[in-house]
Amino acid sequence: QSLLTQPPSLSAAPGQKVTISCSGSSSNIGNNYVSWYQQLPGTAPKLLIYDNDKRPSGIPDRFSGSKSGTSATLGITGLQTGDEADYYCGTWDSSLSAGLFGGGTKLTVL
Amino acid sequence: QLQLQDSGPRLLQPSETLSLTCSVSGASISGSSYYWGWIRQSPGRGLEWIGNVYYSGNTYYNPSLKSRVSISVDRSKNQFSLNLSSATATDTAVYYCGRIFLDTVLVLFARRYHFYIDVWGKGTTVTVSS
Repeated sequence: QSLLTQPPSLSAAPGQKVTISCSGSSSNIGNNYVSWYQQLPGTAPKLLIYDNDKRPSGIPDRFSGSKSGTSATLGITGLQTGDEADYYCGTWDSSLSAGLFGGGTKLTVL
Repeated sequence: QLQLQDSGPRLLQPSETLSLTCSVSGASISGSSYYWGWIRQSPGRGLEWIGNVYYSGNTYYNPSLKSRVSISVDRSKNQFSLNLSSATATDTAVYYCGRIFLDTVLVLFARRYHFYIDVWGKGTTVTVSS
């Protein structure tokens, strides 16, 4: 059972907007920075968002991140069929001195 | 361009030691702000952070694996390695090596951590079975 809680699955239509939540505690999300990863089927994860809301070079601005308290959110606008993937949040846990990932959210673009 | 290439046995017997090496090309493993680490993904499951090492040898490990795991760096070969002892079927997974940014800043008298993996290897499937 992950210390970071994500909805197991979400679905939305092409062109729509979707938000994926990641809930933690004060020892992880509450006091540290959050990152988000996209894992397309059969491939390695790719960094989408780091430091809560920063996008690496090459990541389109359709992807956004935010954090409030002990929760973080990944937003995706203008959904495309190519966005169908598993999405994971990640952060550091100060009490455990350990990296954490959420359980992952499978996004289906209908 | 930075690339990570992992290598090691893909099939293990229970109780053997899982050993993987990640070769780094396009950047030096030394003298940067980055850690180098391992993440695994069991079949049909999510990502699990295993641990990471700094070029100086400083390490952090997943508490649930700490008694069995060791991550080390070979600066002369620009490589880092994972050893996981007493393997069981539950260690069957895809193992990814990665470049990890781990740093801490003081914000309003509280220590806050940056943590993210910006470069990933392609992954190696390791099966533990008799």
